[in-house]
Amino acid sequence: EAQVTQNPRYLITVTGKKLTVTCSQNMNHEYMSWYRQDPGLGLRQIYYSMNVEVTDKGDVPEGYKVSRKEKRNFPLILESPSPNQTSLYFCASSLGGNPSEQYFGPGTRLTVT
Amino acid sequence: RKEVEQDPGPFNVPEGATVAFNCTYSNSASQSFFWYRQDCRKEPKLLMSVYSSGNEDGRFTAQLNRASQYISLLIRDSKLSDSATYLCVARPHSGGYQKVTFGTGTKLQVIP
Repeated sequence: EAQVTQNPRYLITVTGKKLTVTCSQNMNHEYMSWYRQDPGLGLRQIYYSMNVEVTDKGDVPEGYKVSRKEKRNFPLILESPSPNQTSLYFCASSLGGNPSEQYFGPGTRLTVT
Repeated sequence: RKEVEQDPGPFNVPEGATVAFNCTYSNSASQSFFWYRQDCRKEPKLLMSVYSSGNEDGRFTAQLNRASQYISLLIRDSKLSDSATYLCVARPHSGGYQKVTFGTGTKLQVIP
């Protein structure tokens, strides 16, 4: 089944404790992206990647890192999480090197206390 | 001004009604447009792309008005299952600029 998977689905952590949210797609998509969704602010793009080893900042990249060492994986790293990073995070992928029709993962709900 | 703006709603409509949402975009360079549907606490899913000439998919019709910089989504014969939040997306022309901007969404509630 073609899909985008994210892990973990739910995470509660404390300020400053490094964490990684994994994202994997099995559709051989070039484009992958991370979003956060907050009430009243909608989906905001954090980082995106057009292909392996090619990443760029979205609209809200501060406090996040990404890497794209393999085509299928695009982990999101929070080196020192803070409470304002409490949010619902979505990973997405798209065929081709640009974001046309995106397929989203099920989301990761992160709470930073 | 936000790059992509939507009326948050909620739009409460009876079953069988026709409802339309608009979404305005500020970047005149935007070339690609989409409508996504998001159910409560779920991931967004592509509903339809929006083509320059307008396009239809069953009960759903999408239109693009470049002069006024808005896209619209029309839902005919609303079903209870249409209740969701509808997100519009604008993407500037390719050529290195690959960011995607989502609107904050319009909530639709279809009532029996």
